[in-house]
Amino acid sequence: QVQLQQWGAGLLKPSETLSLTCGVYGGSFSGNYWGWIRQPPGKGLEWIGEINHSGSTNYNPSLKSRVTISLDTSKNQFSLNLSSVTAADTAVYYCARRTGAQFRTTYYYYYYMDVWGKGTTVTVSS
Amino acid sequence: QSALTQPASVSGSPGQSITISCTGTSSDVGGYNYVSWYQQYPGKAPKLMIYDVSYRPSGVSNRFSGSKSGNTASLTISGLQAEDEADYYCSSYTSSSIFVFGTGTKVTVL
Repeated sequence: QVQLQQWGAGLLKPSETLSLTCGVYGGSFSGNYWGWIRQPPGKGLEWIGEINHSGSTNYNPSLKSRVTISLDTSKNQFSLNLSSVTAADTAVYYCARRTGAQFRTTYYYYYYMDVWGKGTTVTVSS
Repeated sequence: QSALTQPASVSGSPGQSITISCTGTSSDVGGYNYVSWYQQYPGKAPKLMIYDVSYRPSGVSNRFSGSKSGNTASLTISGLQAEDEADYYCSSYTSSSIFVFGTGTKVTVL
């Protein structure tokens, strides 16, 4: 059973870069998209972006200029970098899996997030 | 990409059925059968309850069901129980190859 464990700095100053990492345990890193979702205090969920095992990425256009999602396949980890943070970036950040299936040589991905990390609270304050 | 529209709150008595709506556009909800629903308890990560409009993952109670008509998807909880009190979010794949979530609905069991 796949589990996601996430970690990273919880307190940042404005203009710094947010960096979070999510480790994948108990399952295959391949054949999935690995993504990030955030939730500001008392508000709803916002999809940030995702990366697949081949390094292909999709980003929310509203954050695209500041977001980089990368992966380290040797460690079964993927990471989120969000630059130039402001107080508006204060949120709980979740990592999640969007799984898929392989048919012959092609991967087909499903359109839902079925495994989530526990969340990391990130506060931006001067 | 704007958030999908959900009612802020829905309530019902134990045993009743409630329905949560999720309204989008032809570029998201209406254009794809890729609507999913998530349940979230305070301080916890979301949990997948429905995927591809109406399919339940293994382990999710059959009291939860989903449907879609045009640009609006719906989640119905039948036989409402105290443990169903939580926040619920819909999500849809979009024509921009990204995902959008709903505004969220707080379900209260009276």
